[in-house]
Amino acid sequence: QKEVEQNSGPLSVPEGAIASLNCTYSDRGSQSFFWYRQYSGKSPELIMFIYSNGDKEDGRFTAQLNKASQYVSLLIRDSQPSDSATYLCAVKGDSSYKLIFGSGTRLLVRP
Amino acid sequence: EAGVTQSPTHLIKTRGQQATLRCSPISGHTSVYWYQQALGLGLQFLLWYDEGEERNRGNFPPRFSGRQFPNYSSELNVNALELEDSALYLCASSLTHQETQYFGPGTRLLVL
Repeated sequence: QKEVEQNSGPLSVPEGAIASLNCTYSDRGSQSFFWYRQYSGKSPELIMFIYSNGDKEDGRFTAQLNKASQYVSLLIRDSQPSDSATYLCAVKGDSSYKLIFGSGTRLLVRP
Repeated sequence: EAGVTQSPTHLIKTRGQQATLRCSPISGHTSVYWYQQALGLGLQFLLWYDEGEERNRGNFPPRFSGRQFPNYSSELNVNALELEDSALYLCASSLTHQETQYFGPGTRLLVL
């Protein structure tokens, strides 16, 4: 079992729709959860991080964390073609130093 | 505030050669991490440096090594290059090891 799992996609949504990206993790000791966006050929760019159960909103982005289910998601409202990218979920333990990444979900937003 | 910088952007080497990649962290950040992203694979943790010391390394052979300088910049060295070392090498920095990591633009290494 992979430590961090994501559906590789592509997830295709029309412009203006809500895109829902999901991630599960295996280590119950994980404490910090991150979403990075990576455009083709570029480096990962931090979108959001979340530490506590529940929702965290930042503009069009909402991260949701459920530690009991070991599940974290990212919602993108009013999706734009410029949101088309690979979204990487990353997890870190409490005193850990390294990020453990999922393989990423490719999102395509159709104009 | 300047972000993480890396050089060179691209590097072409042949098998058996050595490659040196450089990274400058965000000002004030003392922790530097190196990750490898090979084609079709996810980001894999390579090395972590903090306060000039190597603190941990991922599951990579010893020919992957590096160091951190007093100004917190870092260097990744890959000896005896193999074809499968071709990848995007990403450097990230954080204020401390518990803080959020921010990535540089990466160095794309091609081994022929």
